[in-house]
Amino acid sequence: DTEVTQTPKHLVMGMTNKKSLKCEQHMGHRAMYWYKQKAKKPPELMFVYSYEKLSINESVPSRFSPECPNSSLLNLHLHALQPEDSALYLCASSQILRGTNTGELFFGEGSRLTVL
Amino acid sequence: QKEVEQDPGPLSVPEGAIVSLNCTYSNSAFQYFMWYRQYSRKGPELLMYTYSSGNKEDGRFTAQVDKSSKYISLFIRDSQPSDSATYLCAPAGGTSYGKLTFGQGTILTVHP
Repeated sequence: DTEVTQTPKHLVMGMTNKKSLKCEQHMGHRAMYWYKQKAKKPPELMFVYSYEKLSINESVPSRFSPECPNSSLLNLHLHALQPEDSALYLCASSQILRGTNTGELFFGEGSRLTVL
Repeated sequence: QKEVEQDPGPLSVPEGAIVSLNCTYSNSAFQYFMWYRQYSRKGPELLMYTYSSGNKEDGRFTAQVDKSSKYISLFIRDSQPSDSATYLCAPAGGTSYGKLTFGQGTILTVHP
């Protein structure tokens, strides 16, 4: 079982809806990530939080809004999405040791989003 | 040129075969080399982790890194149907952000 928990597992929303994806980890990791994965493609990085601060935003449209309330939680707020945003959204976490992130990411099982 | 190149396959082998999965990369700053396995409709899971050049063995899996030729390999011995998955190589630099660059992923099927 993964130690990164994502909810909901499935989400269907209309283009005018507002919804949120949630992610939780209790491994003491201080880096957390959102990735987007389309079918038969590798995960694409969206956001990185290091020590609860946004450190990387990969030019993601503003209709995706991340939030890191504390070191264990990561949210992704969704608003006015487009059908092409339908994908598997993956949360991940990793340790930061002596200021270095080795990139050893632990992924959740993902939230499968469908935008109608 | 992509930063990481990986043949997407698909690759189909009989049970018991030795499987070789490979990636090439262009960024000399990469120091950490990961292989992730992703089963259908699941998140990726870390399979092997190697720092710098050399070999690392874990059961039936062996990861090899040749930094001089920028070549990464994963070998699976005595492959099993349960190894059927997509395998993603992911090199990374030693930055403080842990930004992974995934290869395309190779779809592997091991048939009984």
